[in-house]
Formats: sequence, structure tokens, C-alpha cells
Amino acid sequence: DVKVTQSSRYLVKRTGEKVFLECVQDMDHENMFWYRQDPGLGLRLIYFSYDVKMKEKGDIPEGYSVSREKKERFSLILESASTNQTSMYLCASSRYREAFFGQGTRLTVV
Amino acid sequence: SQKIEQNSEALNIQEGKTATLTCNYTNYSPAYLQWYRQDPGRGPVFLLLIRENEKEKRKERLKVTFDTTLKQSLFHITASQPADSATYLCALDIENAGNMLTFGGGTRLMVKP
Repeated sequence: DVKVTQSSRYLVKRTGEKVFLECVQDMDHENMFWYRQDPGLGLRLIYFSYDVKMKEKGDIPEGYSVSREKKERFSLILESASTNQTSMYLCASSRYREAFFGQGTRLTVV
Repeated sequence: SQKIEQNSEALNIQEGKTATLTCNYTNYSPAYLQWYRQDPGRGPVFLLLIRENEKEKRKERLKVTFDTTLKQSLFHITASQPADSATYLCALDIENAGNMLTFGGGTRLMVKP
């Protein structure tokens, strides 16, 4: 069965902390994505990676960075967390077109 | 600017009726359009994909149309059931953008028994 696993379901961090959100897929997919989802704003693409060490900025990359050292793992990094980064974060992977999503990480920055 | 619009208001229908959800877009020329279902507290799940040269696609009780002239996709659920209640998201897949998926805001569907 296809699986995208995000490291945490819920996370609470303090303002200014460096935050790592991890995502692992077991399908050998080339493409991986990080989205955030906020009420009324839908899913917004933060970063996209189409291969190891390759990345593309999405619509809202400011305040975020990513790392893809291995094909199966895509990390989202909040360099200095701020309260406006409180959100649901969703990781996804795809080979061709259909995307498979993880269960999401609800991050609260206090 | 590029925009994908779905009806942000919830759609309430009676069990057994056909639900029709709309996805409109501007300033895109997508090669593909996808529909996903999302239940509360969960990630979206893929339902259907339609190509720009296809007018219609069906899968069981689901039907998707794609009108590239109107820049619109319609998503139909026939013989709707309470279990179909969820948020439905459309996503544009622009071939030149290397498989990047851009989502609309989603429409919440409530099917009442």
C-alpha cells in the first residue's frame, strides 16, 4: 500500500525556534511537495522537489527552506518560526500526475 | 494573476440527488486537471484526472468535464450518499511546470439523508 508519512501529527513550537518537518515516502517517487492549508485559502504550495537535491519555489516560499538528500525524504525547515506560520502542513509525492498525501502536521507557533 | 476558484460556500444536497461542483481558472493553460477528496483532519485523496484533450471522464458514480475554452471543470457525483460528504478540491497540473500541482480552495459537500 502506498504511503507518505509525516513525522508528527501535532507540533507546538515557540516563536524564533528552528522547526523541522519530515516527510518520507515508500513509493520511489521522483516528485515531492510541501503545502500549507489554511481556512479560506486552500492548499498553497511552499516548495516542490523533482529529484534529489533539486527544488523549486512554490507560491509562498518566504520563511521556509527545504532539503532533499535522499529520494524518499523531503524536509521542510522553518528557520525562525513565527506565529503566522501556524497552519496545517501537508506533504505529498507523485511519479507522474496523481499525488499521494501524508496525514498532515498541525503546527502551532506560540 | 493566476487563479483557481471553487465555490467557497458549502453545497448541501439531499441523498440520491446529483451533486455538481465547479472549478474555474484564469491565466492557466493546464495540460491536466485533477480532483481530490479531503476528509476533516486528513490529507487529500486523488479521485480523477482529465486531460486537456478530453471532454469528459467517468469513474463509477463520478463524472468530470473539462472545458478549456470556458476554463472550467465540473465534477458530478450521481446518486449521492451521506458518505460522499467531504471537501472536494480541484488541482491544475501544468505540464511545463514539471508536475507542480496548484489547488483551488475546495468546496465542502454535505449530503443529507
